Amino acid sequence: QKEVEQNSGPLSVPEGAIASLNCTYSDRGSQSFFWYRQYSGKSPELIMFIYSNGDKEDGRFTAQLNKASQYVSLLIRDSQPSDSATYLCAVNGGFQKLVFGTGTRLLVSP
Amino acid sequence: DAGVIQSPRHEVTEMGQEVTLRCKPISGHNSLFWYRQTMMRGLELLIYFNNNVPIDDSGMPEDRFSAKMPNASFSTLKIQPSEPRDSAVYFCASSQGQGAGQPQHFGDGTRLSIL
Repeated sequence: QKEVEQNSGPLSVPEGAIASLNCTYSDRGSQSFFWYRQYSGKSPELIMFIYSNGDKEDGRFTAQLNKASQYVSLLIRDSQPSDSATYLCAVNGGFQKLVFGTGTRLLVSP
Repeated sequence: DAGVIQSPRHEVTEMGQEVTLRCKPISGHNSLFWYRQTMMRGLELLIYFNNNVPIDDSGMPEDRFSAKMPNASFSTLKIQPSEPRDSAVYFCASSQGQGAGQPQHFGDGTRLSIL
């Protein structure tokens, strides 16, 4: 059973701080990694994907991948109250399948 | 560009009734996925299609659930007969390409309540 683990949170950070969200996965052969943001009552929205070890930056978001340690993280710089949401980590689970974690709830306080 | 379109947005029906959820993937996408999301179990993959062919239906909970994709622009998920434990949000997602794990784009979902 391929698994993706996330701390459910909530992770509370003050406005302007860096939020760090972490995810570990069990399948060492996984090649594709995704972060989705889901606001309450809404659908998951793709915000980042990463395929290679290292960092990938997009605006205030940075995805970090370490295949040797089997973890992927998402950093959100200058956190805003509008970033408050649940962040889902997803890992490819064979062919086109994605396996999702249960998500980390982020709360950014003004 | 239009995203993934799902209908209906909300469905409330009585136990035992047939429920049909519909999905139109993003034009040009060749893979389509049906998910179910609940508080208890999170986001679960039910079934997915590639080029209109079902590839993996191991997540379909039982024979009451069925899915079809008659063409590249339309898919249905049917529950017959429905039960209260089927109450959840059902999402459809689509992706393009053949590589392992392409980004998936989600529709707005159908919130299903079985009374």
